Amino acid sequence: DQQVKQNSPSLSVQEGRISILNCDYTNSMFDYFLWYKKYPAEGPTFLISISSIKDKNEDGRFTVFLNKSAKHLSLHIVPSQPGDSAVYFCAARYVQGAQKLVFGQGTRLTINP
Amino acid sequence: DGGITQSPKYLFRKEGQNVTLSCEQNLNHDAMYWYRQDPGQGLRLIYYSQIVNDFQKGDIAEGYSVSREKKESFPLTVTSAQKNPTAFYLCASRAARRSLSGANVLTFGAGSRLTVL
Repeated sequence: DQQVKQNSPSLSVQEGRISILNCDYTNSMFDYFLWYKKYPAEGPTFLISISSIKDKNEDGRFTVFLNKSAKHLSLHIVPSQPGDSAVYFCAARYVQGAQKLVFGQGTRLTINP
Repeated sequence: DGGITQSPKYLFRKEGQNVTLSCEQNLNHDAMYWYRQDPGQGLRLIYYSQIVNDFQKGDIAEGYSVSREKKESFPLTVTSAQKNPTAFYLCASRAARRSLSGANVLTFGAGSRLTVL
């Protein structure tokens, strides 16, 4: 049972345009959401996060939007740069317990010059 | 510089053999985790430990074992009972809940790729 889903395995965007990566979740007990970026043969690195009490968080070129009623979050990257080409994972945390993170399947973003 | 070191980076194993993946952190983090990455399936939690001498099973613990004898170290043993061990293994750590900003963020190592021949 996939509680966090990233339905787009890949996304291709032209340099300078906006990249929008989507993530859906099914468990209403998640209270914190994170985006990680991963290059091949490396570990994921933290990118940006959002608490369930907010609907938007912005950090430079990266903005995460959360729609709790739809159980949907998205990551916007603008403007997109070639170095943004990577796999992006959405992750969600349970409200209580050991702070385990549940990850989505990942979306491979390719930025074309 | 603080971080997480995983070794070896690449490992080949014959069927029926146990193998241990090393994970060491100097971040003074309390919690440590092991994830497995397979194509199209994202990261799945194998085991985690919140304090020394204590650990819990994650979602796919069968065929794996861990120990947490020191705060800095959380080795993972892939046993012969693991039916499909070929994967990319990621170790992560997290500061205690009472820490300031960043308490929710996992820091990952560079990973170990295990291939069973």
